[in-house]
Amino acid sequence: DAGVTQSPTHLIKTRGQQVTLRCSPKSGHDTVSWYQQALGQGPQFIFQYYEEEERQRGNFPDRFSGHQFPNYSSELNVNALLLGDSALYLCASSTLSEQFFGPGTRLTVL
Amino acid sequence: EDQVTQSPEALRLQEGESSSLNCSYTVSGLRGLFWYRQDPGKGPEFLFTLYSAGEEKEKERLKATLTKKESFLHITAPKPEDSATYLCAVQPYSSASKIIFGSGTRLSIRP
Repeated sequence: DAGVTQSPTHLIKTRGQQVTLRCSPKSGHDTVSWYQQALGQGPQFIFQYYEEEERQRGNFPDRFSGHQFPNYSSELNVNALLLGDSALYLCASSTLSEQFFGPGTRLTVL
Repeated sequence: EDQVTQSPEALRLQEGESSSLNCSYTVSGLRGLFWYRQDPGKGPEFLFTLYSAGEEKEKERLKATLTKKESFLHITAPKPEDSATYLCAVQPYSSASKIIFGSGTRLSIRP
């Protein structure tokens, strides 16, 4: 079992650009959540996808959007990048009692 | 507002010196409380889920406990490889999809 996988590992973008991050959940998991983690902080919930629908959303602007595919994999899209969007972006897949995280994508906005 | 506060922010211990990390929470109905370990630049690694006051779980040198207001992560006779950031998170009944994290405790174990 490969666990939760994310791509790419690292990404450098400039302000105003758009970025797409990808996630494959752990085998048997159908729910995917995305988090943003700034340096020295805990992860902040962005949104969760279940059955290809956004089930809940945290306090993030509409520049952050996502998608879930029929195979349960997911994408996170961020438009009009700001310097403050630089962070580690984590994907997690879950059951009712456990949530497993991927290794994250480190996004740097210059 | 649902909130998680972890203390201390950082803790330096000598190898073998036992201690506890604290997680205080305010939540409108607790569905579950989670502990994670995170190494630098990596994703959090799941450790425990606790559901009700009085519950305890153990894994190697770690033991997590839960009361109605806080959780403790006790580390017994730590080793240098236990050095990491330990994150606490809560899952409220009101929004079960949304897990709220604390800022973590950076634990450093000196040989």
